[in-house]
Amino acid sequence: KNEVEQSPQNLTAQEGEFITINCSYSVGISALHWLQQHPGGGIVSLFMLSSGKKKHGRLIATINIQEKHSSLHITASHPRDSAVYICAVSGTSGSRLTFGEGTQLTVNP
Amino acid sequence: DAGITQSPRHKVTETGTPVTLRCHQTENHRYMYWYRQDPGHGLRLIHYSYGVKDTDKGEVSDGYSVSRSKTEDFLLTLESATSSQTSVYFCAISDQAGTHTQYFGPGTRLTVL
Repeated sequence: KNEVEQSPQNLTAQEGEFITINCSYSVGISALHWLQQHPGGGIVSLFMLSSGKKKHGRLIATINIQEKHSSLHITASHPRDSAVYICAVSGTSGSRLTFGEGTQLTVNP
Repeated sequence: DAGITQSPRHKVTETGTPVTLRCHQTENHRYMYWYRQDPGHGLRLIHYSYGVKDTDKGEVSDGYSVSRSKTEDFLLTLESATSSQTSVYFCAISDQAGTHTQYFGPGTRLTVL
């Protein structure tokens, strides 16, 4: 079993829908990261959080440390949100990230 | 965008040949990382560096070596490339360890025939 599990692996939505991507992890962490990989391959960091909730535009990330679970929400989805979303955790030793396999999101117009 | 470049961006080589990938940063970040990305796997850490001449192995380090002689450059070498090393390689930088954001380079697509 991977230390970081994401669900679903693939997600197709219609423009305007509310989207949720889930991430569960099995180890103690110091922080959790959400990243976005564009269709062209580039990877950008969206959020880093260790508790609670963060919001940036239409994106919201939440984490529940007790349940070892995080969610990434996209409100009013748009075709330009189509990408792979990757969850990663940094362990308590802090120096490395462990990545989930990613969730491929396709938003149709 | 963080100033991080990778070269080459694409390379095709033959089994048994040596290959060196270069990661260059202009951010003066202390930490640099090499990852590989393959279908069915998440990004996997090959090696990382926490300062000039200070490096450590990641989870998939066999067959790879690294060097960091200057803050801005982190080199990944495949001494004798194999087909299993066909992958997309990403470099990342961070000013501190895992609790800080990592910034990724554009990636290098390597094909070993």
